[in-house]
Amino acid sequence: DTGVSQDPRHKITKRGQNVTFRCDPISEHNRLYWYRQTLGQGPEFLTYFQNEAQLEKSRLLSDRFSAERPKGSFSTLEIQRTEQGDSAMYLCASRERGNSYEQYFGPGTRLTVT
Amino acid sequence: AQSVTQPDIHITVSEGASLELRCNYSYGATPYLFWYVQSPGQGLQLLLKYFSGDTLVQGIKGFEAEFKRSQSSFNLRKPSVHWSDAAEYFCAVGARNDYKLSFGAGTTVTVRA
Repeated sequence: DTGVSQDPRHKITKRGQNVTFRCDPISEHNRLYWYRQTLGQGPEFLTYFQNEAQLEKSRLLSDRFSAERPKGSFSTLEIQRTEQGDSAMYLCASRERGNSYEQYFGPGTRLTVT
Repeated sequence: AQSVTQPDIHITVSEGASLELRCNYSYGATPYLFWYVQSPGQGLQLLLKYFSGDTLVQGIKGFEAEFKRSQSSFNLRKPSVHWSDAAEYFCAVGARNDYKLSFGAGTTVTVRA
């Protein structure tokens, strides 16, 4: 079990640029979550996948954000036309199928928009 | 919708002393409750969880938490703190008919020698 991995760990970009983050969940975990964490706050839910289906999106996920999980394995989160307010830690978590509600988190991607 | 309050933003404790972190939740039914720990620049590590049954749950690193339905609380405790326990601690609640977790704002723990 290698845990949830995220790439890159850090990203610095200029305002207006597009960025894409990747998350690889624990193998055979069919549920995948994205959260955003700003300084001094707890993680806030962004979106949820069960297999390849995106089942829920938070109102925090504006039109500039899009997430995919094309084959029910890894997931990508893209932010278009980044703004300074997008600066945050983006966390991915996965959960196994069945009735276990435990979510296992990756190390996160720290985004800084200058 | 469920929500979580962690009343203490920052706690300082001496090494070897006991630690208690408070967590209050709001949810209409029996929730799923979690405590996570986050070291600087890192992701979240699950310390312990409560789903049902015994209201006193044991976790990793010597932590325990007690679910008190009457007080809507799930406080985290450790009898003797080590310097490596310095971190940020998050309480989270999940609903049985929902997918996501709702987190509190966190409590930062500083351990002094």
